[in-house]
Amino acid sequence: GAVVSQHPSWVICKSGTSVKIECRSLDFQATTMFWYRQFPKKSLMLMATSNEGSKATYEQGVEKDKFLINHASLTLSTLTVTSAHPEDSSFYICSALSGDEQFFGPGTRLTVL
Amino acid sequence: EDQVTQSPEALRLQEGESSSLNCSYTVSGLRGLFWYRQDPGKGPEFLFTLYSAGEEKEKERLKATLTKKESFLHITAPKPEDSATYLCAPGSASKIIFGSGTRLSIRP
Repeated sequence: GAVVSQHPSWVICKSGTSVKIECRSLDFQATTMFWYRQFPKKSLMLMATSNEGSKATYEQGVEKDKFLINHASLTLSTLTVTSAHPEDSSFYICSALSGDEQFFGPGTRLTVL
Repeated sequence: EDQVTQSPEALRLQEGESSSLNCSYTVSGLRGLFWYRQDPGKGPEFLFTLYSAGEEKEKERLKATLTKKESFLHITAPKPEDSATYLCAPGSASKIIFGSGTRLSIRP
């Protein structure tokens, strides 16, 4: 149980384009999902908390207009990186809250050329 | 300000050589402390949740313990497949904060 999937697992895009990443809880409903970013050999940095049916809560320093989050259902949250630039290249990981525990997706590797 | 520090940053052990990983934390209103394992290029895999000082949990060769300021992840007689980054994450009511992790490498 408590499986979280992400799609795509990796994506390469040109600078200036937008990329959407999906996060799904497969066998449970998640009112709250989280989006993290991770640089090589660094820990996870929380970007935003996504609540179903309401606006996401962004961490300080994270541009909400650049990283659009939509949590339209209890099993799906999406992160759209708008007008991506090479500095947005990173490993993006989502998690879904079940009780007190967060279960993580496998991550999406974004490379912006 | 909530903080979490893990040590050592990296640890290399011989197969069968037991050791401990440390997590020191300062979190207001601790709701639970989580341990995760992360393999390269993958998302974290949940290991344990500890809720109160004195609590211990075990899973195979791993045992996690909790005090009011620290948590330890003890690994007994490790195997090469235990090589990974181990992340400590204390949680408050609103979110969890990840430590920078300990990269554990077990040599056969």
